[in-house]
Amino acid sequence: QITVKESGPTLVKPTQTLTLTCTFSGFSLSTSGVGVGWIRQPPGKAPEWLALIYWNDDKRYSPSLRSRLTITKDTSKNQVVLTMTNMDPVDTATYYCGHISYPLWDRWGQGTLVTVSS
Amino acid sequence: EIVLTQSPGTLSLSPGETATLSCRASQSVSNNYLAWYQQKPGQSPRLLIYGASSRATGIPDRFSGSGSGTDFTLTISRLEPEDSAVYYCQQYGDSVRFGGGTKVEIK
Repeated sequence: QITVKESGPTLVKPTQTLTLTCTFSGFSLSTSGVGVGWIRQPPGKAPEWLALIYWNDDKRYSPSLRSRLTITKDTSKNQVVLTMTNMDPVDTATYYCGHISYPLWDRWGQGTLVTVSS
Repeated sequence: EIVLTQSPGTLSLSPGETATLSCRASQSVSNNYLAWYQQKPGQSPRLLIYGASSRATGIPDRFSGSGSGTDFTLTISRLEPEDSAVYYCQQYGDSVRFGGGTKVEIK
C-alpha cells in the first residue's frame, strides 16, 4: 500500500527558507516510472503545482516559482525534500506531496499547513 | 503555459440529479493528460478520473469523464449527499496545472 506523508515546520518567518520532507512507503523512487511531486493550496483556493522529481533524477519546477525551489531525493531513506527560499506571507498554504506513476499523480499525503508570519 | 478554466464556480443540485462540470484549456492538452479530483474540507484531493475518461480504482461508475483537446467534462450521475465537495481538473505530465475548481452543493 502506497503512503506518503509530509513533515516540516508549521511556522516560518518571512525571508526564511522552508524545508519540507515527504516520507513514503509502498514504492521505491528507484523504480522506472515513479516520481514524487509537491503542490500547495492556500486556504480556500485551488491547488498550485510546485515541483516534481522522477526515478531517474529528472526534475521539473513550476516556472513561476522555479528560482525559489529545489527538490531532491534520498532513495535509501524513501524521502523527497523540497526547499523554498525567501518565504513570504502569501506562501501560507497547506503543502502536499504526491506519488506519481508516470505521468499520473495518484496518491496524496494528508498535507501540512505552513504559516508564514513574523 | 496552459490555463485551465472551470465552470460553473458553484453548482447546487438535489440528490438524484446529474452534475455537469466543465474544464476548458487555453491550449490542447497533450495525450489527454487530464485528471479530475474531488476534495472535501480538510482532506487531500482524491483522484477520480485520469486520461480524461478513465475511472480511478474504486471510483463509482456514477462518475464519468469525457472530452479531448481543450474541452473536458466531468459528469456525476445520481448525485448523493456525499458528493458534496470541490472538484478540480488537472493537466499532468512534465508540467502540471490545476483549474480553479467547481463547488458542488447538494441541497
